[in-house]
Amino acid sequence: DQQVKQNSPSLSVQEGRISILNCDYTNSMFDYFLWYKKYPAEGPTFLISISSIKDKNEDGRFTVFLNKSAKHLSLHIVPSQPGDSAVYFCAASRFKNTGNQFYFGTGTSLTVIP
Amino acid sequence: GAGVSQTPSNKVTEKGKYVELRCDPISGHTALYWYRQSLGQGPEFLIYFQGTGAADDSGLPNDRFFAVRPEGSVSTLKIQRTERGDSAVYLCASSLGVRDQETQYFGPGTRLLVL
Repeated sequence: DQQVKQNSPSLSVQEGRISILNCDYTNSMFDYFLWYKKYPAEGPTFLISISSIKDKNEDGRFTVFLNKSAKHLSLHIVPSQPGDSAVYFCAASRFKNTGNQFYFGTGTSLTVIP
Repeated sequence: GAGVSQTPSNKVTEKGKYVELRCDPISGHTALYWYRQSLGQGPEFLIYFQGTGAADDSGLPNDRFFAVRPEGSVSTLKIQRTERGDSAVYLCASSLGVRDQETQYFGPGTRLLVL
């Protein structure tokens, strides 16, 4: 059963505009959320994270919003640049004594059009 | 470099053969994770090491899969009697292993193709 879902497999945005990538999760015990960016033939690269005690975290052009009641998080990229074109994965985890198993969504392929 | 490295980058094998995939984590990272990513899917958890011990191996699909980390650094994922369905990208990640600093850093992956 997919505990983290990214329902949009692809997104196209004009350069300079805002990109909004969405992610939903089902497990209310998740307390840490991350976004990863992946280029072809490379491993996922960490982008930004948010703890469940916050509802927003910002890092330069990237902002992650968390709505715990809706079990929804989103990644905003403003302004979007052609170099942002990649597959974006959201991931969620719950810290346990046995470690921090991450559950990943299926990814959203973002294309930023120059 | 200072990142996670994985070897080989690509591996082609025949059905029924044995393969080993290696992961070198970031120096100082006590936690090490193996994931498998099939086409069109996100990474799927396989096993987690804290130090030398496998703290959680609940993601290993069956007993053909085994992983070790004998000295608490390098890890090897071993697959016996490979099947075509094992074809995927195998990703390794490491983290500090400290609560609230659990960001996992991924290697480039090993692309395994079983013919």
